[in-house]
Amino acid sequence: QKEVEQDPGPLSVPEGAIVSLNCTYSNSAFQYFMWYRQYSRKGPELLMYTYSSGNKEDGRFTAQVDKSSKYISLFIRDSQPSDSATYLCALTAGGTSYGKLTFGQGTILTVHP
Amino acid sequence: EAQVTQNPRYLITVTGKKLTVTCSQNMNHEYMSWYRQDPGLGLRQIYYSMNVEVTDKGDVPEGYKVSRKEKRNFPLILESPSPNQTSLYFCASSRGTPTGELFFGEGSRLTVL
Repeated sequence: QKEVEQDPGPLSVPEGAIVSLNCTYSNSAFQYFMWYRQYSRKGPELLMYTYSSGNKEDGRFTAQVDKSSKYISLFIRDSQPSDSATYLCALTAGGTSYGKLTFGQGTILTVHP
Repeated sequence: EAQVTQNPRYLITVTGKKLTVTCSQNMNHEYMSWYRQDPGLGLRQIYYSMNVEVTDKGDVPEGYKVSRKEKRNFPLILESPSPNQTSLYFCASSRGTPTGELFFGEGSRLTVL
């Protein structure tokens, strides 16, 4: 079993839709949860970061962590064509293990006008 | 401009011919890391370095070597490349905080024939 599972999609939605992206994980040591966005032919860039369980909102983006279920989500409201990219979840235990960062497989999202 | 620079961006080589992919960052980051990205597998960590002269294996270190003699540079060495090392490689750096916020290079696409 992979430590982090992410539905690769692809996911295609109309402009203005609410998008839900998800990851599940098996290692209960993970404490820090991140979402990266990767545009075509570019390196990933950090979108959201959360620590432990709870919600975090930044504009149209909301990151949600449920440690009891080992489940993390990224919601995009009022999606735009510029949101079309691959979204990757990334998890780390932090502390002395913060050097190891485990990524999900990535979900390809297309928002069409 | 703060950046992570990788070279070469594209390379086609043959089995067994040693090659080095260079990575340099200008942000005075302690932490640097190498990833490979393959379809359906996402980003997988090869090696990481917490600081000068400190390196450790990631999830897929076989067939790769690294060194960290200077803070700004973290080259990836393939002593005897094989076709299964054909991949898209990313170098990344961070201040070394537990958030794992990484700044990625543009990627190096390597093909081993």
